[in-house]
This record gives sequence, structure tokens and C-alpha cells, in this order.
Amino acid sequence: AQSVTQLDSQVPVFEEAPVELRCNYSSSVSVYLFWYVQYPNQGLQLLLKYLSGSTLVKGINGFEAEFNKSQTSFHLRKPSVHISDTAEYFCAVRVARDDKIIFGKGTRLHILP
Amino acid sequence: DTGVSQDPRHKITKRGQNVTFRCDPISEHNRLYWYRQTLGQGPEFLTYFQNEAQLEKSRLLSDRFSAERPKGSFSTLEIQRTEQGDSAMYLCASSLGWTDSSPPRTDTQYFGPGTRLTVL
Repeated sequence: AQSVTQLDSQVPVFEEAPVELRCNYSSSVSVYLFWYVQYPNQGLQLLLKYLSGSTLVKGINGFEAEFNKSQTSFHLRKPSVHISDTAEYFCAVRVARDDKIIFGKGTRLHILP
Repeated sequence: DTGVSQDPRHKITKRGQNVTFRCDPISEHNRLYWYRQTLGQGPEFLTYFQNEAQLEKSRLLSDRFSAERPKGSFSTLEIQRTEQGDSAMYLCASSLGWTDSSPPRTDTQYFGPGTRLTVL
């Protein structure tokens, strides 16, 4: 079975500072990896996804993530955060050709002025 | 707006009552998914449809839950005899479905805004 671990439930960071949100996954088969963002009172929006190829994936809003197969990680990074990045971020995995997505518990990003 | 829509956005009900939620997917999407998200947790898969066929149901989906997609377009999720533990955000997502194209691609699931259920 697959699982996703987001080590930090909350991450405070000052505006314009860099941020890294950590994600580790467990799977015995190949997976596709995703980061979703959920703004207050809204649904989930796809930030980026890793399917194959280059391990560095760029997404929307200046976010990027790096797939590390040996460490089974898919950490999300942004070099400079803004107040508008305040949201909950979910790492997720999907087994190739399976249909359901398995989400982590989420990391709440707090931007400090 | 051509995104996934859900109705209602909020529902408050008393324990024991039945509730029904509706999801309208993106029009050309043939796959539709239901997830449940409780406070402090990520979304958990409940069930999904390929057109009108319900292809998979999670063990989370007890006998009190039933989902339908009668014409392969919108879907409804009904909860009978609601319990306080049913309080959650119910999310719907839709996608185009798999293709066997190469290089491999996965169909992106697009989520609706959710229906927040509160059972008193």
C-alpha cells in the first residue's frame, strides 16, 4: 500500500523568505507525485506534478519540487514567499494507472509579515 | 465557469437525517471522484465513476453512503441516517481518464470547492 508523510503540520515563514515543505512517500511500485494547494474555503488546486523525466518539476506561482527516488521524497520549495501563499499544501501520490490519489495530512503555510 | 461545481456549499443537518450532495464535473470529463476531508487531514478517496459505472468504492464508504452518476454527467452522494462522525468536507473531482499515449501521462483530477457537512 502507498502512503504519504508530510512531516510538518505547520510551517511559519517570513514574507520574502524561502520555504521548503517536506514530503516523503512509501510505495513498492512506481508512483506519480503531486502537490496540491488549498486556499481558505476553496477546493484543491494542482500546483505541480511529477510523472517521469527530469526530477526537478516547476509549477505555478513560482513553486518547484524535486523528486528523489533514493530518499523517496518530493519536497516543495519556493525561493521567496508572499502573503498570498498562505494556504494548506498537500503532497499526494498515485500509482501508475490506478485512479485514486492518496494524500498526506497537509502542511499549513503561515506567512509572517 | 467551466470548473467542477458542487451544491450545496454548506449543509447543516441533525443526526439521523438524510442528505444528498450534487457534483457537476467539467463537461468533457468522463471520470468523477468523491473524496472526504476531515479537519486536520488530507482528502480520503471514497469512490469513483467512469461514465455511469461505479468502478471502485473505498472501505470508508459504509452502507449508509450511496453514490450515483445515472447519465454519466453529474453525480450525487447520499448519506442516510447521518452521524456526527460524518461531519466533513466532501470533495468532488473530475478528469478526462487514462490514455495509452507515450510518454506516459496521467490525467489530472480537477477538484470542486467542496460541500461542508455539519451533523449536529
